[in-house]
Amino acid sequence: DADVTQTPRNRITKTGKRIMLECSQTKGHDRMYWYRQDPGLGLRLIYYSFDVKDINKGEISDGYSVSRQAQAKFSLSLESAIPNQTALYFCATSDREAHTGELFFGEGSRLTVL
Amino acid sequence: GQNIDQPTEMTATEGAIVQINCTYQTSGFNGLFWYQQHAGEAPTFLSYNVLDGLEEKGRFSSFLSRSKGYSYLLLKELQMKDSASYLCALMDSNYQLIWGAGTKLIIKP
Repeated sequence: DADVTQTPRNRITKTGKRIMLECSQTKGHDRMYWYRQDPGLGLRLIYYSFDVKDINKGEISDGYSVSRQAQAKFSLSLESAIPNQTALYFCATSDREAHTGELFFGEGSRLTVL
Repeated sequence: GQNIDQPTEMTATEGAIVQINCTYQTSGFNGLFWYQQHAGEAPTFLSYNVLDGLEEKGRFSSFLSRSKGYSYLLLKELQMKDSASYLCALMDSNYQLIWGAGTKLIIKP
């Protein structure tokens, strides 16, 4: 089983619908992140959390919200989806004790907004 | 601000050597990462450089020159499975990762 699991893996929805992407991890890491990836662009950080009570906006947080329900769970919500939120979304974790700051990614959630 | 540049696409031959360059501008620096991403899959960590010089790990090596704002990933003895995108990312002064758009490497027999 994957250490970082994302659900759903694929989702097609309509403009205006509320969508939640979920992420759970078994790595025991404190730090969790949500990124989106678009063709021709680098990964862009949406939100990140260094602890259960810690939520921080990333580069492109507008139109998104997150919830850190537990150390192992970090969910991303799109309150009212729009077509330009069509993208591949990745959850990632990192260990605050690791000096390299290496990220461990989930398999990705491909979201299509019609 | 910060900026990272890497070539969009490169082609190489199986068994050969390829060097993927990454140049960056940043006001703060806490390391340079390389990740590999196969099509439709998650990125996976390849290397981390924070000091100048070459880090070797099997067939893959990564080089950093902080004064030049330059890094490269060197892949030797190329295999078909090395066909992937290679992502360069720098860790800024706030310990946040800034990602390049990635270099798609195509390996031909």
